[in-house]
Amino acid sequence: ELVMTQSPATLPVSPGERVTLSCRASQSVNNNLAWYQQRPGQAPRLLIYAASTRATGIPARFSGSGSGTEFTLTISSLRSEDFAVYYCQQYNDWPPTITFGQGTRLEIK
Amino acid sequence: QVQLVESGGGVVQPGRSLRLSCAASGFTFSRDAMHWVRQAPGKGLEWLAIISYDGNKKYYADSVKGRFTISRDSSNNTLYLQMNSLRFEDTAVYYCARPLIVGALASWGQGTLVTVSS
Repeated sequence: ELVMTQSPATLPVSPGERVTLSCRASQSVNNNLAWYQQRPGQAPRLLIYAASTRATGIPARFSGSGSGTEFTLTISSLRSEDFAVYYCQQYNDWPPTITFGQGTRLEIK
Repeated sequence: QVQLVESGGGVVQPGRSLRLSCAASGFTFSRDAMHWVRQAPGKGLEWLAIISYDGNKKYYADSVKGRFTISRDSSNNTLYLQMNSLRFEDTAVYYCARPLIVGALASWGQGTLVTVSS
């Protein structure tokens, strides 16, 4: 069973800081990795897909990297609207199943 | 623009059934696979099921296999999730989602809350 592990679970940060979130897969997922942002009371929003491609309309301060089993999401300079929960997610080509990480919450330091 | 609107949630007793709907607009529904994802209160995201663009292929998470059925009606641009034998642990907000590529979910509905309670 594929498991996606995110760290840390909670990260206290200040506006303007550079933040790096980690996601590890229990087996290689190639670059079939996406990142989502979820603000309270809202549906998730796709930020990054194929490990490093920004989705339409996503600001350039969000970037993704990695391949295989180790991935990172970097926010270059945190803004107030970035305080949210971030999920990584792997997707298989076939069968087309999906596994989410447990999420990392960014909170104001 | 792409719009997904879920409906059909509510309070249901354990062991009973419920059918969720997802009305799609703003894209060619019949060309895209579609997913259901849920989120229990205060918890993370859990993928549930995918249906191919033509409805011929369906895949499920182990947690709902045999109890939930995904289906679609492309003549009405609507996605469904039939949920049988509901359990307390099925209490969650249920989202439908459209993938950008494969499993990267670019468009989400606002969600519909299902509460399983006696």
